[in-house]
Amino acid sequence: NAGVTQTPKFQVLKTGQSMTLQCAQDMNHNSMYWYRQDPGMGLRLIYYSASEGTTDKGEVPNGYNVSRLNKREFSLRLESAAPSQTSVYFCASSDFGTGGYEQYFGPGTRLTVT
Amino acid sequence: GEDVEQSLFLSVREGDSSVINCTYTDSSSTYLYWYKQEPGAGLQLLTYIFSNMDMKQDQRLTVLLNKKDKHLSLRIADTQTGDSAIYFCADFNDYKLSFGAGTTVTVRA
Repeated sequence: NAGVTQTPKFQVLKTGQSMTLQCAQDMNHNSMYWYRQDPGMGLRLIYYSASEGTTDKGEVPNGYNVSRLNKREFSLRLESAAPSQTSVYFCASSDFGTGGYEQYFGPGTRLTVT
Repeated sequence: GEDVEQSLFLSVREGDSSVINCTYTDSSSTYLYWYKQEPGAGLQLLTYIFSNMDMKQDQRLTVLLNKKDKHLSLRIADTQTGDSAIYFCADFNDYKLSFGAGTTVTVRA
């Protein structure tokens, strides 16, 4: 039971390049999330998918797109990377349990845009 | 969006208690959470409290909730060096968590 996995772990892009961050969960959760973490700002929600087939914008969606490929997988795409997108990206999944909608996080992708 | 605020730093001596405070603005929050992040890692759920509770104890962790003042705290008893990390509080509403900026806890010998 791997929980939430993310690939790649590290990535360096040049301004204008594109890439897709992959996320998968094996807990059969309905909801999945993408966050970015910047120093002193906590985690900010980029996009989320409350259930398979739906996606919604979070707090900071500009410059990103997402795809909920199936119940397990939720990808985040940067079409034209900018230095402001240098950050650590976390994927999470959740479902209703004894702790409410507690979210389980992946290990993160560290992205640098030069 | 909803605001969640925390103090940014806390330094504590090994063996003492740590208290991390958090305030939130969304009165309709149903669950509130504490997460721990160690260097280079993702967030790990520590504990949670339902909004109709005042207190929850889980081994060395005690969570206090003052719903009237929208104030949440996490007390760690007998703080150890392994407790050095960033601690985030978060409130849940409408399928989403809103996180505070995180409190960096440093445990000194």
